[in-house]
Amino acid sequence: DAKTTQPPSMDCAEGRAANLPCNHSTISGNEYVYWYRQIHSQGPQYIIHGLKNNETNEMASLIITEDRKSSTLILPHATLRDTAVYYCIAHQGGKLIFGQGTELSVKP
Amino acid sequence: DTAVSQTPKYLVTQMGNDKSIKCEQNLGHDTMYWYKQDSKKFLKIMFSYNNKELIINETVPNRFSPKSPDKAHLNLHINSLELGDSAVYFCASSQGRVGNYGYTFGSGTRLTVV
Repeated sequence: DAKTTQPPSMDCAEGRAANLPCNHSTISGNEYVYWYRQIHSQGPQYIIHGLKNNETNEMASLIITEDRKSSTLILPHATLRDTAVYYCIAHQGGKLIFGQGTELSVKP
Repeated sequence: DTAVSQTPKYLVTQMGNDKSIKCEQNLGHDTMYWYKQDSKKFLKIMFSYNNKELIINETVPNRFSPKSPDKAHLNLHINSLELGDSAVYFCASSQGRVGNYGYTFGSGTRLTVV
């Protein structure tokens, strides 16, 4: 079973930052927080992952709370092409288990 | 291009037939996976191989049999296809079981059983 909970849907205006929350209050100490997204009819795409520290790459930033019970994925300047289902996953090896994710709609 | 490639992209077949889906990755990864995405969009892991060894085998009917001839290939053979097997099947790969750069997924095979 997925160890994370996410809102089922969110809207974001084009050009604005999209902040996608994720709760993972039962995450264990050696589990990483991974984010993937799935654009319609495509395979899931890896975005970013982290353990304790905040992380940033060319796609997004990941902010993890100090107690590691929640995190936020930030797309700094959302575009229409960022419309997708975003999955937050607690993972340490073995099975990568997808939950229902957040359906992000970026609107003009 | 470096990628995870699946063939065929679309597969329409009748109930009772046997079919195979092929997957190849040229990323040099040592672990490969099969996922199934049903009509409700749930992505569920089916199998995983690490260096040709089966390491994950979820509760999947025996009609599904994965085969990994080498660590770059993971094929999925399905016997006696049923209507409920209709789904999109995704192959993925990673370096190690965690994958420091995550899993790389193929573009999927849409299987329709009629």
